[in-house]
Amino acid sequence: DIQMTQSPSSLSASVGDRVTITCRASQSIRTYLNWYQQKPGRAPDFLISAASSLQSGVPSRFSVSGSGTDFTLTISSLQPEDFATYYCQQSYSTPITFGQGTRLEIK
Amino acid sequence: QLHLQEAGSGLVRPSQTLSLTCAVSGDSISSGGYSWTWIRQPPGEGLEWIGYIYHSGSPSYNPSLESRVTISIDGSKNQFSLKLNSVTAADTAVYYCARARDFGDHHIDFWGQGILVAVSS
Repeated sequence: DIQMTQSPSSLSASVGDRVTITCRASQSIRTYLNWYQQKPGRAPDFLISAASSLQSGVPSRFSVSGSGTDFTLTISSLQPEDFATYYCQQSYSTPITFGQGTRLEIK
Repeated sequence: QLHLQEAGSGLVRPSQTLSLTCAVSGDSISSGGYSWTWIRQPPGEGLEWIGYIYHSGSPSYNPSLESRVTISIDGSKNQFSLKLNSVTAADTAVYYCARARDFGDHHIDFWGQGILVAVSS
């Protein structure tokens, strides 16, 4: 199985801050890396992939970089609605695996 | 707009079989180009992929669950199903059905709202 490791596990930030979440795969997954946002009590929502596929309606303040094993999700200027948990997911091979999540909290 | 809705028992006894269905509306499950997926999330924890099935009926399972899980598809009812047998308390989770693209970046583009299944006597 491909292990996905996110860091940090939690993060406190303020509205307007620039934040970066990293995701590392245990082996190369090329650009088969997807990011999801989950708010309490709701299913996750697709945000963006490392192949730069941005879900329709997702603000351009979300961006992704990386390929192979190391990836980052950047939110350029945090908005109140961005406080949530973020998961990376590799879709390169089965079993599909997720990172453990990064909880983004208001400072 | 695609809509997925999970249904099934919210309480299962230990050693029994968890059974869920996912009703799909807004598109035909037989149209191809997608995999129909089950994912679970224990309370307060992260996401675990259970498996998926194609409209052709070919499933793929997480090896950690493969001995206990069956995913099936019914094109005539436009739904797919999950069965997990010999459940224990560790199987308590919110279970999501979802659709993943079988092209491009293979991301999951639609999710059901999730159903909480508790395993308890």
